[in-house]
Amino acid sequence: DSGVTQTPKHLITATGQRVTLRCSPRSGDLSVYWYQQSLDQGLQFLIHYYNGEERAKGNILERFSAQQFPDLHSELNLSSLELGDSALYFCASSVEESWGEAFFGQGTRLTVV
Amino acid sequence: AQKVTQAQTEISVVEKEDVTLDCVYETRDTTYYLFWYKQPPSGELVFLIRRNSFDEQNEISGRYSWNFQKSTSSFNFTITASQVVDSAVYFCALSEARAGKSTFGDGTTLTVKP
Repeated sequence: DSGVTQTPKHLITATGQRVTLRCSPRSGDLSVYWYQQSLDQGLQFLIHYYNGEERAKGNILERFSAQQFPDLHSELNLSSLELGDSALYFCASSVEESWGEAFFGQGTRLTVV
Repeated sequence: AQKVTQAQTEISVVEKEDVTLDCVYETRDTTYYLFWYKQPPSGELVFLIRRNSFDEQNEISGRYSWNFQKSTSSFNFTITASQVVDSAVYFCALSEARAGKSTFGDGTTLTVKP
């Protein structure tokens, strides 16, 4: 158990809908990272937050947004969902601001039908 | 732009064989980090190692060893005396030094047969 909690574990939703994925980092970790893993695109970095502030952005679509709250948990919001958004979404956390020994959650499997 | 290439898509070995997973990277940054992560069949990603771009010392941890060569932009990973439990997808990754923007390779699926 990495100590990073992601909910829900599985999510099935229809195209055009909006969903929110939640991540609770390990106790004491200030950084939260979001990744998307799909068969065709591999593991893609989406966004990084450190202590509530956005630090780096990757290949995150405009339909996606994220935030990190004062209690350091993070949410990834996906809207106007398309079939191609079906993927495994990972959250990771670390103590450092830079990418270091990050601990990954078990992921949320999103299926858009 | 950063790029990580893991040319070996799949490798299959018999238990106790040594195996090397290749990783070649591209970056314009002078300071960066390199990583290896393991994704076993259960799905979670497990951190194995981080290497700073200024530290070219090879590292050994048990049966695992890493060979970082800046001259060839490579960061290869060797498993000695492989075991069935080593079967997993292994990802090489590169990140900026200051923030968390990282780039992963496509992964190498290692199958260790008994």
